[in-house]
Amino acid sequence: AQSVTQPDIHITVSEGASLELRCNYSYGATPYLFWYVQSPGQGLQLLLKYFSGDTLVQGIKGFEAEFKRSQSSFNLRKPSVHWSDAAEYFCAVGPLSYNTDKLIFGTGTRLQVFP
Amino acid sequence: EPEVTQTPSHQVTQMGQEVILRCVPISNHLYFYWYRQILGQKVEFLVSFYNNEISEKSEIFDDQFSVERPDGSNFTLKIRSTKLEDSAMYFCASSETGTGGGWNTEAFFGQGTRLTVV
Repeated sequence: AQSVTQPDIHITVSEGASLELRCNYSYGATPYLFWYVQSPGQGLQLLLKYFSGDTLVQGIKGFEAEFKRSQSSFNLRKPSVHWSDAAEYFCAVGPLSYNTDKLIFGTGTRLQVFP
Repeated sequence: EPEVTQTPSHQVTQMGQEVILRCVPISNHLYFYWYRQILGQKVEFLVSFYNNEISEKSEIFDDQFSVERPDGSNFTLKIRSTKLEDSAMYFCASSETGTGGGWNTEAFFGQGTRLTVV
């Protein structure tokens, strides 16, 4: 069965520091990959997505993610974190066949940013 | 920017009561979804809805759950007789086309309704 693992439940960084949030997936083929962010009181907002092509994808708010097939990973990065980046981040694997629309999510990583 | 809106943001209900969670998807979207997240657990798919019928549902989505699009704008999730384990954050989502394989589209999520069953 397909699955998504986010090994880090909670990460704390200082403002201005770099950030990498890990995501690993389990699936036999190349899936669609997403990162969503949920700020307090807000919905799940799409940061970026990978469908095909260039394995380094750029998203909103200065985030990027790199798909590494050999490691079954899709880690999210940001070179310099801002206090407003404090939120919960979810990695998700997209629909894996034509007859399903469901996304499979990881458990999320809560990011805390210290000034 | 268009967005998916959910009401209420927080609902407390007694065990055994019926609850209806409401969602207004983005207006030109055709596919609608409910997901939920029990505290500390993964966001889980519940159901997808297209062309006025359920297109897919998970094993969580048993006979206690139902969905409806009562008019052209709302999409609702009903839980007939709530249980303690139904306490969770429920997310509504919509997409312009199906997100299934071959469609490089995305689902837009609402801010969620936190349901607390006491």
